[in-house]
Amino acid sequence: GNSVTQMEGPVTLSEEAFLTINCTYTATGYPSLFWYVQYPGEGLQLLLKATKADDKGSNKGFEATYRKETTSFHLEKGSVQVSDSAVYFCALAGYSSASKIIFGSGTRLSIRP
Amino acid sequence: DAGVTQSPTHLIKTRGQQVTLRCSPISGHKSVSWYQQVLGQGPQFIFQYYEKEERGRGNFPDRFSARQFPNYSSELNVNALLLGDSALYLCASSGDSQETQYFGPGTRLLVL
Repeated sequence: GNSVTQMEGPVTLSEEAFLTINCTYTATGYPSLFWYVQYPGEGLQLLLKATKADDKGSNKGFEATYRKETTSFHLEKGSVQVSDSAVYFCALAGYSSASKIIFGSGTRLSIRP
Repeated sequence: DAGVTQSPTHLIKTRGQQVTLRCSPISGHKSVSWYQQVLGQGPQFIFQYYEKEERGRGNFPDRFSARQFPNYSSELNVNALLLGDSALYLCASSGDSQETQYFGPGTRLLVL
């Protein structure tokens, strides 16, 4: 079945550091891929998405590219801020079950001033 | 426009009790999905409803049930609560394309 694997946290970086959070997936067909962010005490917010191979999703300085050949969707940001501290979830939705999102286990990111 | 709203925000129940959680989707959205997020894990899909019909069910026991009303709001019911049902319950709505889901703030359920 479909699944998502993302790097375990916690990840701790200094402000202005470069961020990469790895995510790989297993799926049949051509799923849509997402990154969601969860700030402390809040629900999930969609950060970015990509719906087909080689698409790049971007938002708030974050980017991720849909790589079908490596089944990956790594999240990157060139310069992180303290306000980026949150839990990040990689997720996928299959073409035939778009409303059933499969999430990874989440990566907690902490940014030091 | 208001986002997805859920009530209550927090709830404490004891084992064996029953609970009902409520969700109002974004205006114009006809699809509602429910997820359970246990502490430290990613959300797990429970149900999806579209136009008042169940369109998908995750791997949860029959103690979990849901319904969707004519105004597209939804309720999630859990009977015979277990300690392991303690979690954040998230509701998400999406439009007709169902391509992107928008999540509510969740209801945090604690079962003692």
